Amino acid sequence: DTGVSQNPRHKITKRGQNVTFRCDPISEHNRLYWYRQTLGQGPEFLTYFQNEAQLEKSRLLSDRFSAERPKGSFSTLEIQRTEQGDSAMYLCASSSTGVEAFFGQGTRLTVV
Amino acid sequence: KQEVTQIPAALSVPEGENLVLNCSFTDSAIYNLQWFRQDPGKGLTSLLLIQSSQREQTSGRLNASLDKSSGRSTLYIAASQPGDSATYLCAVNRDDKIIFGKGTRLHILP
Repeated sequence: DTGVSQNPRHKITKRGQNVTFRCDPISEHNRLYWYRQTLGQGPEFLTYFQNEAQLEKSRLLSDRFSAERPKGSFSTLEIQRTEQGDSAMYLCASSSTGVEAFFGQGTRLTVV
Repeated sequence: KQEVTQIPAALSVPEGENLVLNCSFTDSAIYNLQWFRQDPGKGLTSLLLIQSSQREQTSGRLNASLDKSSGRSTLYIAASQPGDSATYLCAVNRDDKIIFGKGTRLHILP
């Protein structure tokens, strides 16, 4: 297992377009988290899954954002009608319950 | 609401010095605390995890302590090296949500 994998690593999109990111967690981990990080700030919690169930969503996650984790394996984060304020690093992490969390390398989104 | 604060925000020290990074959190009811390293433009690398029942963890030149009752953790780096230059993030896990501080940007001067 090579750890948490995120694709793509970089995405440049025009304002108003939809984008989708993928996260492949460590295979035996039942928890999967999405975070957003802007320059000079710590990662901000967006949402998390326990297996395929989405258990919590931050108020940061507007109606334009949706996340799925079908079959409790990989996860996707979609942003519809992107805005310049969506430009950030999107980080995915996975863990087993109550144990160490491991992060992927992130997807850097630039909205132009 | 859990808040995590890291002090200082930035730190520059000469190579070879020992240093301490500080983390404080407002709600002591945590499952665990984790220290991460982040290089510019990269993801997070886990350094140390301290469970709520533990007082400290060590890995090589790194030692992390946890005082849950006072809401504090420290990361001690011994004999610092230029390769230690990075941002160090503290995160607490409560209610299955991992909450981060803003990090300490560390620069080790050769």
